[in-house]
Amino acid sequence: DAMVIQNPRYQVTQFGKPVTLSCSQTLNHNVMYWYQQKSSQAPKLLFHYYDKDFNNEADTPDNFQSRRPNTSFCFLDIRSPGLGDAAMYLCATSRDLAGPTTQYFGPGTRLTVL
Amino acid sequence: GENVEQHPSTLSVQEGDSAVIKCTYSDSASNYFPWYKQELGKGPQLIIDIRSNVGEKKDQRIAVTLNKTAKHFSLHITETQPEDSAVYFCAAASSAGGTSYGKLTFGQGTILTVHP
Repeated sequence: DAMVIQNPRYQVTQFGKPVTLSCSQTLNHNVMYWYQQKSSQAPKLLFHYYDKDFNNEADTPDNFQSRRPNTSFCFLDIRSPGLGDAAMYLCATSRDLAGPTTQYFGPGTRLTVL
Repeated sequence: GENVEQHPSTLSVQEGDSAVIKCTYSDSASNYFPWYKQELGKGPQLIIDIRSNVGEKKDQRIAVTLNKTAKHFSLHITETQPEDSAVYFCAAASSAGGTSYGKLTFGQGTILTVHP
C-alpha cells in the first residue's frame, strides 16, 4: 500500500544532542511537510518542501532544519534539542499545493528529551 | 492569516447517538475543509473533506456540511460506536495564494468519547 512512513516511531535523546527524524513516502507526492504536535494541541507546521524548494514558517526556530535528498525522503534535524522540543513530529505529503490537495499524514515520531 | 475555531473541545455521547462538531473560519479565500481523526499515539487520518463548491458531503455514517456565507462547517457522525472515540480536527486551506496557500490551518481539536 502507498503510504507515509516515519522512523523511528519513538526517539529518546539527551538535552543538546542532535537528532534526526526520517520520513519516506511511496505516494510520489511533490510536497512534504513537517509538523510538531504537543500534547492536546493541533499540529503546528514547521516547514514544507515543494519538490526541492524549501519553505520555512516564520516562527520555526533555527534549531529545526530539514533536508529532502530526493522525492521519497525527507529528514527533520534538531540541532540542539531542548526540553521544550519534546513532542510528536508528524510528516505529511500532498500531491501538490494548488487545489489545494489532500494531505496524508504518517504515524509520527514521539521525541523525548532527557 | 486564517484562524479556525472548533467547538466543543470535548464531547461525550452514548453509543448509537449522533455527534456534531462545529468549526468556523475567518479567511473567505479558504476553499478546502478536511476533517482528521487522530487516535492516541497515531498520526491524523483523513476521514472526509469538502470543497467550497459543494454544501454537503456524506460517506456512510459521516457527513460534513459547509456554509460559505457564515464561514462555518460541521462534522456529523451518526450511530456512533466506541471505536469512533478519538480526537477530531477540522482544518481549512486556500488555493488563492497568499500566506495560507496550500497550507492547513487546524482547529483546536475535539475529544470525542463514545460510551458503550
